[in-house]
Amino acid sequence: DAGITQSPRHKVTETGTPVTLRCHQTENHRYMYWYRQDPGHGLRLIHYSYGVKDTDKGEVSDGYSVSRSKTEDFLLTLESATSSQTSVYFCAIRVLAGGLNTGELFFGEGSRLTVL
Amino acid sequence: AQSVTQLDSQVPVFEEAPVELRCNYSSSVSVYLFWYVQYPNQGLQLLLKYLSGSTLVESINGFEAEFNKSQTSFHLRKPSVHISDTAEYFCAVSERNFNKFYFGSGTKLNVKP
Repeated sequence: DAGITQSPRHKVTETGTPVTLRCHQTENHRYMYWYRQDPGHGLRLIHYSYGVKDTDKGEVSDGYSVSRSKTEDFLLTLESATSSQTSVYFCAIRVLAGGLNTGELFFGEGSRLTVL
Repeated sequence: AQSVTQLDSQVPVFEEAPVELRCNYSSSVSVYLFWYVQYPNQGLQLLLKYLSGSTLVESINGFEAEFNKSQTSFHLRKPSVHISDTAEYFCAVSERNFNKFYFGSGTKLNVKP
């Protein structure tokens, strides 16, 4: 358990409203990721962060923004939600083992977002 | 960018039968390879990985995968599956800086009694 919690776990909202998903970690890992999971597409990277205030885009970043003002929290914001953003969103952290980068990602439990 | 192809979206198999889940990737650079498993309503968990060394890697629950550079494949196998192996399996690749991970579309393994 890498101490990742996502909130909210479930959310239903309407088109055009802003939505923020939160990913919180307790172990001070540098790298954090936001993915979305859709049937037939697997997981697609939205944004990732490699440190406080350091973020970069992934494959499907349009319509999403992120912020990381402190190590433990990585926020994903949909400024104006659309139905195409209905998905399950997963946060992940990249873990070092014994000071070495083993490449392993630990995932949160997911946040299911429905945009009506 | 890398891409990962999992040709089989669903694989039904009877308990105690062998199974192979296929994964092919495309990359112009050296990569690291992973298999993740997702049980219903959970996040993904690492099953096994290839970083370097022996091209055959094993997991603690009997799965194995072989890295084949010439065929750009990393197929997952198990000689005898159990009901508890029912899950969705994702192949993933990462460039050697580990900054980004690219996932395949997943294969749902359904083990029948």
